Amino acid sequence: RKEVEQDPGPFNVPEGATVAFNCTYSNSASQSFFWYRQDCRKEPKLLMSVYSSGNEDGRFTAQLNRASQYISLLIRDSKLSDSATYLCVVSDTISSGTYKYIFGTGTRLKVLA
Amino acid sequence: GEEVAQTPKHLVRGEGQKAKLYCAPIKGHSYVFWYQQVLKNEFKFLISFQNENVFDETGMPKERFSAKCLPNSPCSLEIQATKLEDSAVYFCASIHILNTEAFFGQGTRLTVV
Repeated sequence: RKEVEQDPGPFNVPEGATVAFNCTYSNSASQSFFWYRQDCRKEPKLLMSVYSSGNEDGRFTAQLNRASQYISLLIRDSKLSDSATYLCVVSDTISSGTYKYIFGTGTRLKVLA
Repeated sequence: GEEVAQTPKHLVRGEGQKAKLYCAPIKGHSYVFWYQQVLKNEFKFLISFQNENVFDETGMPKERFSAKCLPNSPCSLEIQATKLEDSAVYFCASIHILNTEAFFGQGTRLTVV
C-alpha cells in the first residue's frame, strides 16, 4: 500500500459544479497535511493547509479525518481556472528521527465550459 | 530572497555526461528538500538538508547522485554519468520549520538524450 493515495482521475466537471477529492494516508502518526495545486508540470503551490477542525478558504474546504486516515478537498462553484492537478501532501516524522513530506500522485481536475 | 530560485530551467545532457542543478532557498529557511518528478506525476524524495547538514539521504541513488548545501552558496544536486531514466523535473523545496508548508522552486527540467 502506498503511503499517500489519491484517485488519479481525471475528474471532468462542468463549470459551477461541486467536486470533492479524497486522499488516504497510511501512517496514523502523520503530523501535518496539505493540499497543493500543480499546473502543467510547473511547481506545486500551496492551496491549503489542513487543520484538525477543518478549514475553508473561499470556495475551497479541507477536512481531516484522523480516525479513518484521510483528508478531503471540496471545491464549490468550479471555475475553468481550477483545472489542475491537486496533490495531497503529508508530513511524517520517521522513526529514525528524520522527517519527510510525502506526496500523493495527484488528482487531475478538468473543468469544462 | 522571497522565492526559491532554481537554475537552470532546462538542461539537456547526453548519456554519460554530468548534470548540475542549483537551488537557492528562501532566506531564513533551514530546510531544503529535493524531489524528482517523472512523467507519471510521482514525486520521488531524493535528499534533504538542514542548513548545510544532510538531514535525510535515503532517497538518493548514491552511485551517481550527490548533493551539497554550503554556507553562502546555492544548494546543488549533481548527477554524474547521466542515464536516460534521469530525465525528469527536479524540484527543490524550502521549508522554514518542519511541519509547515514547503515552498517550491520552478524546477529544472533535465532531458538526457
